[in-house]
Amino acid sequence: EFVLTQSPGSLSLSPGERATLSCRASQISNSRYLAWYQQRPGRAPRLLIYGASERATGIPDRFSGSWSGTDFTLTISRLEPEDFAVYYCQHHDDSPPVHTFGQGTKLEIK
Amino acid sequence: EIQLVESGGGLVQPGESLRLSCAVYGVTVSGHHMNWVRQAPGKGLEWVAAIHSGGGVYYADSVKGRCTISRDNSKNTLYVELNRLTTEDTAVYYCARDTAGDGFAGFDIWGHGTMVIVSS
Repeated sequence: EFVLTQSPGSLSLSPGERATLSCRASQISNSRYLAWYQQRPGRAPRLLIYGASERATGIPDRFSGSWSGTDFTLTISRLEPEDFAVYYCQHHDDSPPVHTFGQGTKLEIK
Repeated sequence: EIQLVESGGGLVQPGESLRLSCAVYGVTVSGHHMNWVRQAPGKGLEWVAAIHSGGGVYYADSVKGRCTISRDNSKNTLYVELNRLTTEDTAVYYCARDTAGDGFAGFDIWGHGTMVIVSS
């Protein structure tokens, strides 16, 4: 069974600080099939990163994605007040075409 | 502007069936891979089903055998029907567009969601 494990489960930081969120895949068929989303309370998810490191349209450059093997990282360089939200990683598998989400990381204001 | 608007949620009894709709505006429903994703109260995101532009349908193991995803091209609308509902199906159900035709580039457009509550 394919599993995405996000860590930490929650993270308390202050505006202006740097946030590093992790997502580990149990296995990976294509590292480019990894996306990150932000979800604010009561809102639908918002695509931030696709292809593990490509910013989606309109996403500020303080958001960046990287990876090494089966470990993926979302970095927010300088936290703005609107960045405090829950973040999810997602992987797409081709055969069969299914999607898996991580359990999420809650980024809270310290 | 591309918009997805879900409807059809509400309170249903365990064992009943429900069909949710997602009206698509600004693009053709048949031109993209379309998905349903759900989120139980206070929980994370769970992918439910997809219908590809070519018509192929795919389901999460958790709903396989009691879920049917479909689309009506004349109405430009996506549907999902879920049968034999249990309390585990209580969630906000979102429809979402898969950006890429080939490969994967994330779900770039999401609806606002429709709430389904399964309770007696």
